[in-house]
Amino acid sequence: NAGVTQTPKFRVLKTGQSMTLLCAQDMNHEYMYWYRQDPGMGLRLIHYSVGEGTTAKGEVPDGYNVSRLKKQNFLLGLESAAPSQTSVYFCASRNVRDRSSSYEQYFGPGTRLTVT
Amino acid sequence: DQQVKQNSPSLSVQEGRISILNCDYTNSMFDYFLWYKKYPAEGPTFLISISSIKDKNEDGRFTVFLNKSAKHLSLHIVPSQPGDSAVYFCAASARETSGSRLTFGEGTQLTVNP
Repeated sequence: NAGVTQTPKFRVLKTGQSMTLLCAQDMNHEYMYWYRQDPGMGLRLIHYSVGEGTTAKGEVPDGYNVSRLKKQNFLLGLESAAPSQTSVYFCASRNVRDRSSSYEQYFGPGTRLTVT
Repeated sequence: DQQVKQNSPSLSVQEGRISILNCDYTNSMFDYFLWYKKYPAEGPTFLISISSIKDKNEDGRFTVFLNKSAKHLSLHIVPSQPGDSAVYFCAASARETSGSRLTFGEGTQLTVNP
């Protein structure tokens, strides 16, 4: 299993440009999450999904949109990028069918995004 | 407000000694706590967890202690090894939370010196 993969690994955008970050998991996990990590602020939840076709807002959703058309994929979109969205973005997934999973989330390797 | 706080941004210890990483929380609804480890340019990986019905959980060199009355948990690493050098995140979840969301602390950079 590849686990959780993220595409791309790095990206530089100009202010106002748009892009989509792709997250894919091959573990058949029901729940998926998008986080951003900024220095001194830990990981903050942007959006999450509890199943195919469903999404919900997290702690810092403004400026982002998400879609989960297929169970294995979770897309994060930036419609008009701003310098404040410069960050490292992590995707994660969770298996809720395993009662012993202890709330564990599996993370991808991250996407480093710079907005100039 | 920051519901999960790790007040020490960094910690440096000698190889072979004990590393103690601390975490405080404010939300009394949290009933599950996890520690994640993160190396540079990689995603966080799960390390150890504890349910609020316990006060200690041990896994090899790693032990997590939970003090519910003080809303405090700590991660002990004994003995510390250079390969343990990483950023450690504390996270918490409440059973009733939609999506089993985790709330993370700011992280503590642990450096284990040979």
